[in-house]
Amino acid sequence: EAAVTQSPRNKVTVTGGNVTLSCRQTNSHNYMYWYRQDTGHGLRLIHYSYGAGNLQIGDVPDGYKATRTTQEDFFLLLELASPSQTSLYFCASSDRASAETLYFGSGTRLTVL
Amino acid sequence: GDSVTQTEGQVTVSESKSLIINCTYSTTSIAYPNLFWYVRYPGEGLQLLLKVITAGQKGSSRGFEATYNKETTSFHLQKASVQESDSAVYYCALGDRGNNNRIFFGDGTQLVVKP
Repeated sequence: EAAVTQSPRNKVTVTGGNVTLSCRQTNSHNYMYWYRQDTGHGLRLIHYSYGAGNLQIGDVPDGYKATRTTQEDFFLLLELASPSQTSLYFCASSDRASAETLYFGSGTRLTVL
Repeated sequence: GDSVTQTEGQVTVSESKSLIINCTYSTTSIAYPNLFWYVRYPGEGLQLLLKVITAGQKGSSRGFEATYNKETTSFHLQKASVQESDSAVYYCALGDRGNNNRIFFGDGTQLVVKP
């Protein structure tokens, strides 16, 4: 069974704060994704990656950076957090895209005051 | 572009009654998309419920079924008799082989099953 672990589980920061969300997958998947989940918007793709060192821009990238340091680890960075970034963030991985199952972490709830 | 539209908001069903959550999709890709239903139980991440990658085929899992209908561009989720444990958020999703293999999600439908 694929395992995707996100940390922290919950995070509270202030406007202008610096936040890093971490994601690790232990199944040697090539693709990793960061989504945000907001009421009325479903899951929106922020950034994704095909492999270590690769980054692709998703649909809502403004205010976010991402870095894929290894095949296992994918980080989402908010360097100047804003209240509009208060959301539930999900990381996911898959072996290939499109037809392959996405395996999700349990989510990180971020609150920006 | 690609988009997925599903039953909005919350659906409340009494235990043992039938369920349908509507899902329609739109794509400009020349390739037929792959279609998925994911489910998110409280406090957990999304997990795959079922997927169908061939038009005309039906997928099923845990008593849920969905048929890929390319004529009506629909992929409705149905269950004949729901249980309280089915209470969760359900997401319809589309995988576009012609659009950088991107996956697009609907907004999610909250299912509440009353005992």
